[in-house]
Amino acid sequence: QLHLQESGPGLVKPSETLSLTCSVSGGSITSRGYYWGWIRQPPGKGLAWIGTIYYSGSTYYSPSLKSRVSISLDTSKNQFSLKLTSVTAADTALYYCATSTLGNFEAFDFWGQGTMVTVSS
Amino acid sequence: QSALTQPASVSGSPGQSITISCTGSTSDVGGYNYVSWYQHLPGKAPKLIIYDVYNRPAGVSNRFSGSKSGNTASLTISGLQAEDEADFYCSSYTDSITLVFGGGTKLTVL
Repeated sequence: QLHLQESGPGLVKPSETLSLTCSVSGGSITSRGYYWGWIRQPPGKGLAWIGTIYYSGSTYYSPSLKSRVSISLDTSKNQFSLKLTSVTAADTALYYCATSTLGNFEAFDFWGQGTMVTVSS
Repeated sequence: QSALTQPASVSGSPGQSITISCTGSTSDVGGYNYVSWYQHLPGKAPKLIIYDVYNRPAGVSNRFSGSKSGNTASLTISGLQAEDEADFYCSSYTDSITLVFGGGTKLTVL
């Protein structure tokens, strides 16, 4: 059974970079066919996809965030990470990491519990 | 890309069936059988309940079913139970190799 856990600063200053890590246990991030993603939920709003990285390292990003976001794998630590640059208050959200073990780009079957990130000076 | 369109809320009584719609375009819902549905309880992680339009992951109740017609996907919950009360989100693969979510639907069990 896969277990995912997000970690990172809960408070980030405007214009700085938001960095989060998702630690994976119970499986390998290099498992063939798996997709690893980041999704966020601003307070009072719905889920929004940020981006996805394939086990091979190929990345896919939301068009609205593409210029500011990067997702990477760290195979030595069995983790994957999110970096979002030049943050504003609009980036305040509950950030989830998730994975699709079904080989489906859109079907995240395991999720972390989420970590709240507030952008404020 | 625009969010998929879902009704803001639906309600039903225990034992009844309800259907939640998810409308997109030929670039997403209508173009691919890659639509998923998630149940999201406050303070918990979203739970995948339907993927690839129709399929249920192991362990998900068969009271949940999915379908699609044209650019609209639907989630039906039969035999409504109090524990089903939650927010429900659809998502779809798009022709830009991205993912888009619906705005979410709040289900109230009366």
